[in-house]
Amino acid sequence: DAKTTQPPSMDCAEGRAANLPCNHSTISGNEYVYWYRQIHSQGPQYIIHGLKNNETNEMASLIITEDRKSSTLILPHATLRDTAVYYCIVRPIQGAQKLVFGQGTRLTINP
Amino acid sequence: GAVVSQHPSRVICKSGTSVKIECRSLDFQATTMFWYRQFPKQSLMLMATSNEGSKATYEQGVEKDKFLINHASLTLSTLTVTSAHPEDSSFYICSASGGHTYNEQFFGPGTRLTVL
Repeated sequence: DAKTTQPPSMDCAEGRAANLPCNHSTISGNEYVYWYRQIHSQGPQYIIHGLKNNETNEMASLIITEDRKSSTLILPHATLRDTAVYYCIVRPIQGAQKLVFGQGTRLTINP
Repeated sequence: GAVVSQHPSRVICKSGTSVKIECRSLDFQATTMFWYRQFPKQSLMLMATSNEGSKATYEQGVEKDKFLINHASLTLSTLTVTSAHPEDSSFYICSASGGHTYNEQFFGPGTRLTVL
């Protein structure tokens, strides 16, 4: 079973920031938080990951709460091409561990 | 960046035939490859994990004699769906991991299998 909880769907206006929450209250100290997204009929695409500090890259920002029990993925200026299912996944730091996908959040960007 | 390809992108076959799907890591050596299956409107479900040169480890409920996995080289893994039936119609996705800082998995574009 997935160790994360996400809202099933969200809407966001084009050009606005999209904030996607994820609850991972049972995360352990040796687990990362990863975010992937899947555009319709494509393979998942890596977005970002973090351990305990906030992270930012060219795609998104990841805000992790101090207790690490939840996080928020932020797409700063959403475009129509950001419409996808977003998956929040926790996985161990060490080794090539399998990814357990939950149901994710279906994000729809509206014009 | 790390690129993973799959071939074919889509395949249609008759019930009872076997279908082979290839997964290749194009610019890195994949010590571990994963195979997932995704039914319409559902999430990805891991089928098996394979390490180069070893037998694959299958998830509970996945028939290893029906879904044959071979990972004979560091850049290629194959999934063969034997005696395919309509209920095997699905989106099959592979991912590869190897040599990167955080052991990231990089996903292929997927293969759409339709069994008539």
